Amino acid sequence: IVLTQSPGTLSLSPGERATLSCRASQSVSSNYLAWYQQKPGQAPRLLIYGASSRATGIPDRFSGSGSGTDFTLTISRLEPEDFAVYYCQQYGISCSFGQGTKLEIK
Amino acid sequence: EVRLLESGGGLVQPGGSLRVSCAASGFTFSTYGMTWVRQAPGKGLEWVSGVDGSGATTYYGDSVKGRFTISRDNSNNALYLHMNSLRVDDTAVYYCAKAPTPGPIHYMDVWGKGTTVTVSS
Repeated sequence: IVLTQSPGTLSLSPGERATLSCRASQSVSSNYLAWYQQKPGQAPRLLIYGASSRATGIPDRFSGSGSGTDFTLTISRLEPEDFAVYYCQQYGISCSFGQGTKLEIK
Repeated sequence: EVRLLESGGGLVQPGGSLRVSCAASGFTFSTYGMTWVRQAPGKGLEWVSGVDGSGATTYYGDSVKGRFTISRDNSNNALYLHMNSLRVDDTAVYYCAKAPTPGPIHYMDVWGKGTTVTVSS
């Protein structure tokens, strides 16, 4: 399954709402879709699994939604520490990642 | 505290071999599937391989199939990736990651800091 993330880069200001998209080339079974955050020089961090379940310790400003082939990560009010690269991953048929969305400060 | 610590990265010539390791602590290692994910310089994440908790079932990405072998030693809480016929495009940071279930393919809830493999002449 090929995952396509959009946009490639998203420029926003702290306090704004961010909407990141992940589209799959075929339906992701059982909504086996996860989202990760990665900051420069660091390992990825799990944010969302099962399309909409927040991982332990993740603030509730992060939310995931979607099903089938279209999924969304929403950050309701951006904090300065949220500016990073975000990846989606499907684990329904083998495993694959999207190419990433860079969220940068405007 | 759950921890994963990779080691064994380094510089290797094209066509060479290398084994990277991951030492796990803070959880019952044999109960969980484990994964290797890599990231080439300035690029995105690429899933490399996964193994189930027992070590009996393994899966590989198309770009490494037939060249890389994943294995685990549950008595020593260690995960390995044996890499043969290395190519320049295998150059990457290699991350070890833990699954939340015994299966070989899932999301990854804990990640190590990574070890760098450079393939160059």
